[in-house]
Amino acid sequence: EPEVTQTPSHQVTQMGQEVILRCVPISNHLYFYWYRQILGQKVEFLVSFYNNEISEKSEIFDDQFSVERPDGSNFTLKIRSTKLEDSAMYFCASSVRDSGYTFGSGTRLTVV
Amino acid sequence: AQSVTQLGSHVSVSEGALVLLRCNYSSSVPPYLFWYVQYPNQGLQLLLKYTSAATLVKGINGFEAEFKKSETSFHLTKPSAHMSDAAEYFCAVIGISGNTPLVFGKGTRLSVIA
Repeated sequence: EPEVTQTPSHQVTQMGQEVILRCVPISNHLYFYWYRQILGQKVEFLVSFYNNEISEKSEIFDDQFSVERPDGSNFTLKIRSTKLEDSAMYFCASSVRDSGYTFGSGTRLTVV
Repeated sequence: AQSVTQLGSHVSVSEGALVLLRCNYSSSVPPYLFWYVQYPNQGLQLLLKYTSAATLVKGINGFEAEFKKSETSFHLTKPSAHMSDAAEYFCAVIGISGNTPLVFGKGTRLSVIA
């Protein structure tokens, strides 16, 4: 069964450093998403991406965040200058319109 | 705008007992509804989804959910709990009218007691 692949599974970074989280969505999917889950809290929407541009973003997705689909297969989330409160599990997802999202297994980001 | 409310942040059942996890939704357009399960230190796995076909939806691992428009509910049930069902369960909603993002509830942690 097709999967969404995320790398790395765990990343530790120092406060103020830039991190890039990588995702390979399912090949025939057209919509791509990033969500995050702070430990013990709900899963929160960050951004959706369609046709090579952001289609929607939440209040969380401020100027520190950016997304890119650099080569037609990867979908990346960049955090420019990490803060302690960015520590969370980050999930990538892809979908074919409204048929339900397929989520990756997540990247646990720890900012120290 | 869409939202879901999950009643009960923690539910505890005995092995073999009925599992009932509650979810109520709010949507300004006809919704699609989903249940996801998250096992410890793992990602989100789709259990089942309602996409305006049959109102009783069967999913994986013996779970099912019934869409009740009159009650704006989409409760998740399983007749007989197994120890392996212990996990976090998330209800989620999306509006079918456009590419709106999936919105999650706060989750319900299911514990199964031997």
